[in-house]
Amino acid sequence: GQNIDQPTEMTATEGAIVQINCTYQTSGFNGLFWYQQHAGEAPTFLSYNVLDGLEEKGRFSSFLSRSKGYSYLLLKELQMKDSASYLCAGNNAGNMLTFGGGTRLMVKP
Amino acid sequence: EAQVTQNPRYLITVTGKKLTVTCSQNMNHEYMSWYRQDPGLGLRQIYYSMNVEVTDKGDVPEGYKVSRKEKRNFPLILESPSPNQTSLYFCASSWDRGAGDYGYTFGSGTRLTVV
Repeated sequence: GQNIDQPTEMTATEGAIVQINCTYQTSGFNGLFWYQQHAGEAPTFLSYNVLDGLEEKGRFSSFLSRSKGYSYLLLKELQMKDSASYLCAGNNAGNMLTFGGGTRLMVKP
Repeated sequence: EAQVTQNPRYLITVTGKKLTVTCSQNMNHEYMSWYRQDPGLGLRQIYYSMNVEVTDKGDVPEGYKVSRKEKRNFPLILESPSPNQTSLYFCASSWDRGAGDYGYTFGSGTRLTVV
Protein backbone atom coordinates (compact mmCIF):
# COMPACT_ATOMS: atom_id res chain seq x y z
CA GLY A 1 0.00 0.00 0.00
CA GLN A 2 0.92 3.61 0.00
CA ASN A 3 0.51 5.97 2.96
CA ILE A 4 -0.20 9.54 2.02
CA ASP A 5 -0.17 12.22 4.69
CA GLN A 6 -1.38 15.80 4.54
CA PRO A 7 -2.55 18.28 7.18
CA THR A 8 -6.20 18.08 8.15
CA GLU A 9 -7.00 21.78 8.13
CA MET A 10 -5.44 25.11 7.19
CA THR A 11 -6.62 28.69 7.38
CA ALA A 12 -5.40 31.58 5.23
CA THR A 13 -6.40 35.14 4.38
CA GLU A 14 -7.88 36.33 1.13
CA GLY A 15 -5.14 37.60 -1.20
CA ALA A 16 -2.40 35.65 0.57
CA ILE A 17 -0.35 32.61 -0.48
CA VAL A 18 -0.79 29.18 1.08
CA GLN A 19 1.22 25.98 0.71
CA ILE A 20 -0.38 22.59 1.33
CA ASN A 21 2.11 19.79 1.89
CA CYS A 22 1.81 16.10 1.13
CA THR A 23 4.20 13.29 2.00
CA TYR A 24 4.04 9.71 0.79
CA GLN A 25 5.90 6.44 0.82
CA THR A 26 8.16 6.25 -2.21
CA SER A 27 7.96 2.53 -3.03
CA GLY A 28 6.19 1.81 -6.29
CA PHE A 29 5.33 5.41 -6.89
CA ASN A 30 4.63 6.71 -10.39
CA GLY A 31 3.17 10.20 -10.06
CA LEU A 32 1.19 12.50 -7.81
CA PHE A 33 -2.16 14.23 -8.34
CA TRP A 34 -3.83 17.14 -6.64
CA TYR A 35 -7.60 17.50 -6.65
CA GLN A 36 -9.91 20.22 -5.36
CA GLN A 37 -13.17 19.24 -3.72
CA HIS A 38 -15.87 21.63 -2.55
CA ALA A 39 -18.10 20.33 0.24
CA GLY A 40 -20.46 17.62 -0.97
CA GLU A 41 -19.22 17.84 -4.55
CA ALA A 42 -17.03 15.66 -6.73
CA PRO A 43 -13.23 16.07 -6.72
CA THR A 44 -11.92 17.97 -9.73
CA PHE A 45 -8.46 17.60 -11.24
CA LEU A 46 -5.88 20.32 -10.51
CA SER A 47 -2.45 18.91 -11.40
CA TYR A 48 -0.33 15.85 -12.04
CA ASN A 49 3.41 15.67 -11.37
CA VAL A 50 5.59 12.86 -12.63
CA LEU A 51 8.96 14.58 -12.73
CA ASP A 52 10.70 16.52 -9.97
CA GLY A 53 10.16 20.23 -9.93
CA LEU A 54 7.52 22.90 -10.00
CA GLU A 55 4.62 23.08 -12.44
CA GLU A 56 2.65 26.29 -12.62
CA LYS A 57 -0.92 26.74 -13.79
CA GLY A 58 -2.16 30.24 -13.21
CA ARG A 59 -2.67 30.84 -9.48
CA PHE A 60 -1.98 27.19 -8.66
CA SER A 61 1.42 25.48 -8.70
CA SER A 62 2.43 21.97 -7.70
CA PHE A 63 5.86 20.74 -6.69
CA LEU A 64 7.25 17.22 -6.49
CA SER A 65 10.42 15.73 -5.00
CA ARG A 66 10.49 12.01 -5.74
CA SER A 67 13.59 11.32 -3.67
CA LYS A 68 12.03 12.93 -0.60
CA GLY A 69 8.53 11.58 -1.09
CA TYR A 70 7.20 15.11 -0.88
CA SER A 71 4.83 17.32 -2.79
CA TYR A 72 3.11 20.61 -2.21
CA LEU A 73 0.31 22.62 -3.75
CA LEU A 74 0.84 26.39 -3.78
CA LEU A 75 -2.16 28.68 -4.09
CA LYS A 76 -1.49 32.36 -4.79
CA GLU A 77 -3.77 35.41 -4.56
CA LEU A 78 -6.25 33.43 -2.52
CA GLN A 79 -9.93 33.99 -3.22
CA MET A 80 -12.90 33.09 -1.05
CA LYS A 81 -13.94 30.49 -3.63
CA ASP A 82 -10.68 28.62 -2.94
CA SER A 83 -12.17 27.46 0.36
CA ALA A 84 -12.37 23.72 -0.26
CA SER A 85 -10.63 20.45 0.50
CA TYR A 86 -7.46 19.64 -1.41
CA LEU A 87 -6.73 15.97 -1.98
CA CYS A 88 -3.28 14.56 -2.64
CA ALA A 89 -3.32 11.23 -4.51
CA GLY A 90 -0.48 8.89 -5.42
CA ASN A 91 -0.35 6.82 -8.59
CA ASN A 92 1.07 3.56 -7.24
CA ALA A 93 2.81 0.54 -8.72
CA GLY A 94 -0.53 -0.90 -9.80
CA ASN A 95 -1.23 2.43 -11.48
CA MET A 96 -4.27 3.13 -9.35
CA LEU A 97 -4.86 6.19 -7.26
CA THR A 98 -4.52 6.15 -3.47
CA PHE A 99 -5.84 9.28 -1.77
CA GLY A 100 -4.71 11.12 1.31
CA GLY A 101 -7.31 12.27 3.82
CA GLY A 102 -7.51 15.74 2.31
CA THR A 103 -6.70 19.20 3.66
CA ARG A 104 -9.62 21.50 4.35
CA LEU A 105 -8.62 25.06 3.50
CA MET A 106 -10.60 27.96 4.93
CA VAL A 107 -10.03 31.35 3.33
CA LYS A 108 -11.00 34.29 5.52
CA PRO A 109 -11.62 37.90 4.45
CA GLU B 1 -20.78 16.71 -22.60
CA ALA B 2 -18.25 14.18 -21.30
CA GLN B 3 -19.35 13.07 -17.86
CA VAL B 4 -19.88 10.38 -15.26
CA THR B 5 -23.51 10.19 -14.14
CA GLN B 6 -24.51 8.73 -10.80
CA ASN B 7 -28.00 8.16 -9.50
CA PRO B 8 -29.52 8.85 -7.10
CA ARG B 9 -27.82 11.91 -5.57
CA TYR B 10 -29.42 11.30 -2.20
CA LEU B 11 -30.87 8.11 -0.73
CA ILE B 12 -32.22 7.22 2.68
CA THR B 13 -32.96 3.56 3.22
CA VAL B 14 -33.50 1.04 5.99
CA THR B 15 -31.16 -1.68 7.17
CA GLY B 16 -31.32 -4.81 5.05
CA LYS B 17 -33.18 -3.41 2.06
CA LYS B 18 -31.22 -4.10 -1.10
CA LEU B 19 -30.28 -1.08 -3.18
CA THR B 20 -28.35 -0.23 -6.33
CA VAL B 21 -26.48 2.97 -7.12
CA THR B 22 -26.04 3.41 -10.84
CA CYS B 23 -23.00 4.86 -12.61
CA SER B 24 -22.67 5.55 -16.31
CA GLN B 25 -19.93 7.25 -18.34
CA ASN B 26 -20.09 8.47 -21.94
CA MET B 27 -16.33 8.73 -22.62
CA ASN B 28 -15.69 5.12 -23.65
CA HIS B 29 -13.38 4.76 -20.64
CA GLU B 30 -12.11 1.29 -19.87
CA TYR B 31 -11.40 1.81 -16.18
CA MET B 32 -14.16 2.50 -13.64
CA SER B 33 -14.07 2.56 -9.88
CA TRP B 34 -16.20 3.15 -6.79
CA TYR B 35 -15.06 5.10 -3.74
CA ARG B 36 -16.62 5.95 -0.43
CA GLN B 37 -15.70 9.10 1.44
CA ASP B 38 -16.01 9.47 5.19
CA PRO B 39 -14.88 12.33 7.44
CA GLY B 40 -11.23 11.97 8.40
CA LEU B 41 -10.74 8.89 6.21
CA GLY B 42 -10.62 10.40 2.75
CA LEU B 43 -11.55 8.51 -0.38
CA ARG B 44 -11.33 4.73 -0.05
CA GLN B 45 -11.69 2.41 -3.01
CA ILE B 46 -14.46 -0.19 -2.86
CA TYR B 47 -14.23 -1.99 -6.22
CA TYR B 48 -12.77 -1.29 -9.61
CA SER B 49 -13.10 -2.63 -13.13
CA MET B 50 -10.44 -2.75 -15.81
CA ASN B 51 -12.90 -3.57 -18.60
CA VAL B 52 -16.14 -5.40 -19.35
CA GLU B 53 -16.59 -8.49 -17.17
CA VAL B 54 -13.37 -7.69 -15.25
CA THR B 55 -13.84 -6.50 -11.67
CA ASP B 56 -11.62 -6.52 -8.59
CA LYS B 57 -11.76 -5.64 -4.93
CA GLY B 58 -10.39 -2.38 -3.64
CA ASP B 59 -9.52 -1.55 -0.05
CA VAL B 60 -13.01 -1.78 1.50
CA PRO B 61 -15.12 -4.25 -0.54
CA GLU B 62 -17.06 -5.92 2.31
CA GLY B 63 -20.80 -5.52 1.98
CA TYR B 64 -20.70 -4.40 -1.65
CA LYS B 65 -21.02 -5.98 -5.08
CA VAL B 66 -20.45 -4.62 -8.56
CA SER B 67 -20.96 -5.74 -12.13
CA ARG B 68 -19.60 -4.60 -15.49
CA LYS B 69 -21.77 -6.07 -18.22
CA GLU B 70 -21.34 -3.06 -20.51
CA LYS B 71 -18.44 -0.67 -20.86
CA ARG B 72 -20.40 2.41 -19.92
CA ASN B 73 -22.16 1.11 -16.78
CA PHE B 74 -20.76 0.10 -13.40
CA PRO B 75 -23.50 -0.24 -10.76
CA LEU B 76 -22.77 -0.57 -7.05
CA ILE B 77 -25.01 -3.03 -5.21
CA LEU B 78 -25.62 -3.20 -1.48
CA GLU B 79 -27.38 -6.52 -0.89
CA SER B 80 -28.12 -5.87 2.79
CA PRO B 81 -27.18 -2.31 3.74
CA SER B 82 -26.12 -1.55 7.29
CA PRO B 83 -25.73 1.79 9.12
CA ASN B 84 -21.91 1.64 8.79
CA GLN B 85 -22.40 1.98 5.03
CA THR B 86 -23.80 5.46 5.52
CA SER B 87 -21.37 7.52 3.46
CA LEU B 88 -20.77 9.68 0.40
CA TYR B 89 -20.10 7.50 -2.64
CA PHE B 90 -18.28 8.47 -5.83
CA CYS B 91 -17.96 6.67 -9.12
CA ALA B 92 -14.91 7.49 -11.24
CA SER B 93 -13.63 6.56 -14.68
CA SER B 94 -10.44 6.83 -16.71
CA TRP B 95 -8.96 5.73 -20.02
CA ASP B 96 -6.97 3.11 -18.20
CA ARG B 97 -6.03 2.13 -14.69
CA GLY B 98 -3.02 4.42 -14.92
CA ALA B 99 -5.24 7.48 -14.59
CA GLY B 100 -3.20 9.04 -17.42
CA ASP B 101 -2.21 12.67 -17.18
CA TYR B 102 -5.61 13.90 -16.13
CA GLY B 103 -6.56 11.54 -13.37
CA TYR B 104 -10.04 10.25 -12.92
CA THR B 105 -13.33 11.85 -13.89
CA PHE B 106 -15.70 11.67 -10.93
CA GLY B 107 -19.47 11.50 -10.77
CA SER B 108 -21.41 14.01 -8.68
CA GLY B 109 -21.67 11.67 -5.72
CA THR B 110 -24.41 9.77 -3.91
CA ARG B 111 -25.10 10.55 -0.29
CA LEU B 112 -26.45 7.36 1.28
CA THR B 113 -28.00 7.15 4.73
CA VAL B 114 -28.89 3.74 6.18
CA VAL B 115 -31.14 3.86 9.24
